[in-house]
Amino acid sequence: EVRLLESGGGLVQPGGSLRLSCEASGFSFSSYALDWVRQAPGKGLEWVSGIGTALNSANYADSVKGRFTISRDNFEKTLYLQMNSLRAEDTAVYYCAKRQWLVGNYHFDYWGQGALVTVSS
Amino acid sequence: QSVLTQPPSVSGAPGQRVTISCTGSNSNIGAGYHVHWYQQIPGIAPKLFIFGNSNRPSGVPDRFSGSNSGTSASLAITGLQAEDEADYYCQSYDISLSAWVFGGGTKLTVL
Repeated sequence: EVRLLESGGGLVQPGGSLRLSCEASGFSFSSYALDWVRQAPGKGLEWVSGIGTALNSANYADSVKGRFTISRDNFEKTLYLQMNSLRAEDTAVYYCAKRQWLVGNYHFDYWGQGALVTVSS
Repeated sequence: QSVLTQPPSVSGAPGQRVTISCTGSNSNIGAGYHVHWYQQIPGIAPKLFIFGNSNRPSGVPDRFSGSNSGTSASLAITGLQAEDEADYYCQSYDISLSAWVFGGGTKLTVL
């Protein structure tokens, strides 16, 4: 059974930093790309960042580029999101998602339960 | 403002058929990128319901079907049931943004 378990969320002041983790199990971790998708309170889903099987294959939404860094540890089967220079608009539930390939396209077939990040003074 | 446009809400009586539209552009759906659909019960993580435009993961009832044409896609639900009440999101890839994009979500209410 595929499982994704996020941790590291919490309350942080504007300008502060936080690191999210996502522990994976139930699949060959190193063989799949993984992503972070967030959802602000009462709002829709927003893709934040993703990383492929190659450790240097990261990409970011424009809203977080230069402030967030995604990384992965294939030995520990863990995905990370380092968030710096946090803003009030980064307040959201952050979901870890496994990316699945199909005929040149990707979808997110499994999601974690989410970690709440609140940026407020 | 979402890149993919969905109606904020749709509703239907039990047993009826409803459709949820997802309108994109030539840089995403119109460029041939697949559309995927997710169901989200409030307070719970999204769940994949349709992938690759029209494929259902194991466990998703065949009352749910997806289709697309041109720059738009649709999710159809037949034989509406109370348990279908949830938020539904479409998702694709946008070549201009180099990013995965979602619709704003549609709240389905079963009357």
